[in-house]
Amino acid sequence: SQQGEEDPQALSIQEGENATMNCSYKTSINNLQWYRQNSGRGLVHLILIRSNEREKHSGRLRVTLDTSKKSSSLLITASRAADTASYFCATDGRGGGSNYKLTFGKGTLLTVNP
Amino acid sequence: SAVISQKPSRDICQRGTSLTIQCQVDSQVTMMFWYRQQPGQSLTLIATANQGSEATYESGFVIDKFPISRPNLTFSTLTVSNMSPEDSSIYLCSVVQVYGYTFGSGTRLTVV
Repeated sequence: SQQGEEDPQALSIQEGENATMNCSYKTSINNLQWYRQNSGRGLVHLILIRSNEREKHSGRLRVTLDTSKKSSSLLITASRAADTASYFCATDGRGGGSNYKLTFGKGTLLTVNP
Repeated sequence: SAVISQKPSRDICQRGTSLTIQCQVDSQVTMMFWYRQQPGQSLTLIATANQGSEATYESGFVIDKFPISRPNLTFSTLTVSNMSPEDSSIYLCSVVQVYGYTFGSGTRLTVV
């Protein structure tokens, strides 16, 4: 079954507003990561939150993790037009040889209008 | 973190032909991964490439269609064989190290 389902699938906001994207997953994880992808190019790692952490900040990014609900959220504050991209959550497995395989969610396409 | 050089960045290929994608890493890594991203979709793991052993393929992917080489700890290739339009996707390699994952810039493949 799909691991890491994001919602919304698409989000359009005005510059300066905050953008919140959510991710749910199904199995136990070691950590959850968020990535950004511009125009179908390579992925850029944004932030990693471990399973024993509840919240993490990096610049304008804030990530939360609720392992009881198997969900995470990514908040981008004071958005800029340059934040326009697709955002993916990804989880890696816990235990066994599959530890390092990432499973990606479907992604949220964020459009920030100037 | 590691720096990955992935080539080619894009290609347009005729159906029935094959394309080999290369990833060169600037440091030695044990595990390399190959992903496919179909148009408008998320990333799906094709296989894990380990140096010194055969690649491990995920369900739905087979070696005959996606042969992988891993001759040393800094290099890997993925071949997309006997291509059809359904193979049009972005293909990305990735490595994992102590500090996390790094992705190549991707190869955008269009099969006509």
